[in-house]
Amino acid sequence: GDSVTQMEGPVTLSEEAFLTINCTYTATGYPSLFWYVQYPGEGLQLLLKATKADDKGSNKGFEATYRKETTSFHLEKGSVQVSDSAVYFCALSAFGGDKLTFGTGTQLKVEL
Amino acid sequence: NAGVTQTPKFRILKIGQSMTLQCTQDMNHNYMYWYRQDPGMGLKLIYYSVGAGITDKGEVPNGYNVSRSTTEDFPLRLELAAPSQTSVYFCAARGEGGNNQPQHFGDGTRLSIL
Repeated sequence: GDSVTQMEGPVTLSEEAFLTINCTYTATGYPSLFWYVQYPGEGLQLLLKATKADDKGSNKGFEATYRKETTSFHLEKGSVQVSDSAVYFCALSAFGGDKLTFGTGTQLKVEL
Repeated sequence: NAGVTQTPKFRILKIGQSMTLQCTQDMNHNYMYWYRQDPGMGLKLIYYSVGAGITDKGEVPNGYNVSRSTTEDFPLRLELAAPSQTSVYFCAARGEGGNNQPQHFGDGTRLSIL
């Protein structure tokens, strides 16, 4: 079946550091890929998405590129801020499917 | 814009009690979902619905029931609460347009069963 694997956290960075959170997936066909962010005490919010190979999703300085050859969708940001501290979830939706499959989430802590 | 609204935000139940978690959306979306989030475990799908009158099981449906009599509402029922159902529950809604459409989440219900 479909699955998503994320790097385990917590990831602790200093402000202005470079961020990478790895995400790989297993799916048949051509899934759509998503990154969601969850701030403390809140629900999940869509951060960015990509719907076909080589697409780059971007939002709020975050980027991720849909790499079909490596089945990956790694999240990157050039300079993190304290306000980026949250849990980040990678997810996929299979082609023709109705459901999301989530990774286990990666907690990011950004310190001054 | 309200989006997806969940009530209550917090609840403590005793073992064996029952309750209904409410979820309503004002986006006129056909697709709705219930997830539970356990610490370090990501989100697991409990039930989902592709439209009024249609529901289907997700990964972890045991101990729960749902109904979908209107497009707006998708309540989740716990009949005999058990400690294993202590979790944070999220409702989500998605519009038409295929699998590239994102899901919109409520703020969650934090449920403790003692």
